[in-house]
Amino acid sequence: EDQVTQSPEALRLQEGESSSLNCSYTVSGLRGLFWYRQDPGKGPEFLFTLYSAGEEKEKERLKATLTKKESFLHITAPKPEDSATYLCAVSAGTASKLTFGTGTRLQVTL
Amino acid sequence: NAGVTQTPKFQVLKTGQSMTLQCAQDMNHNSMYWYRQDPGMGLRLIYYSASEGTTDKGEVPNGYNVSRLNKREFSLRLESAAPSQTSVYFCASRSTGTPKDEQYFGPGTRLTVT
Repeated sequence: EDQVTQSPEALRLQEGESSSLNCSYTVSGLRGLFWYRQDPGKGPEFLFTLYSAGEEKEKERLKATLTKKESFLHITAPKPEDSATYLCAVSAGTASKLTFGTGTRLQVTL
Repeated sequence: NAGVTQTPKFQVLKTGQSMTLQCAQDMNHNSMYWYRQDPGMGLRLIYYSASEGTTDKGEVPNGYNVSRLNKREFSLRLESAAPSQTSVYFCASRSTGTPKDEQYFGPGTRLTVT
C-alpha cells in the first residue's frame, strides 16, 4: 500500500526565515511525486512534479528535491503570502492515482 | 480557460437525501478523478475515470456512484446521504503522458449532511 507522511504538521516562520518541509514515501513503482499548495477554502494548486531521485525543481522562493525515500520542499526567505498548506502526493501505476499526505500548514509572519 | 469547474460550491443535505455533484474540465484531459478531503485524513480518492466510457473505484467508493457523461464531464452521485459523507469534495483532471502527468483540481464542493 502506498504511503505518504509529511512533517512537520504545522510550521510557523518569520518573514525571511528559510526552512524545509519533508515528505517521506513508500510506493511500488513511483511514477511521480507531486507538490501542491492549498489556500483555505480552495482546491489544491499544482506546484511541481519530480520523477526521479536527484531531480530538483524551482519556482520563485520554492525548491523541491527528491531522493529514493523522501522529498523536500525548501522555502527560501519566505513572505507572508507563502502561508498555505503544502501537500505532497505520489502516483503509481498507469492510472496515476494520487496518494496524498496530510499536509504541512505553513504560517509566515512579519 | 476555466480549468476545472464544480457545482454546487456548498450544499446541505438531510440524511437519506440524494444529490449529484457536477464537474467539468475544458483542458481536453482524458482522465478525471473525485476526491474527498477530511481533517487529518488528507485527500482520498473516491472514483476515477481513466478515459471516456470507463470508471473505476478508488480508496473510498462506498456510498457513491459516478458517471463519465462525456470527455468534459464527470459527476459524483450520493444516493442516500449519511453524516459520514460530510466532507469537501474535489474533482481533478489529468493530462496524459510523462512529463505532463500532474492533476489539476477544481475549487471544491463543501457538503454537510445532517
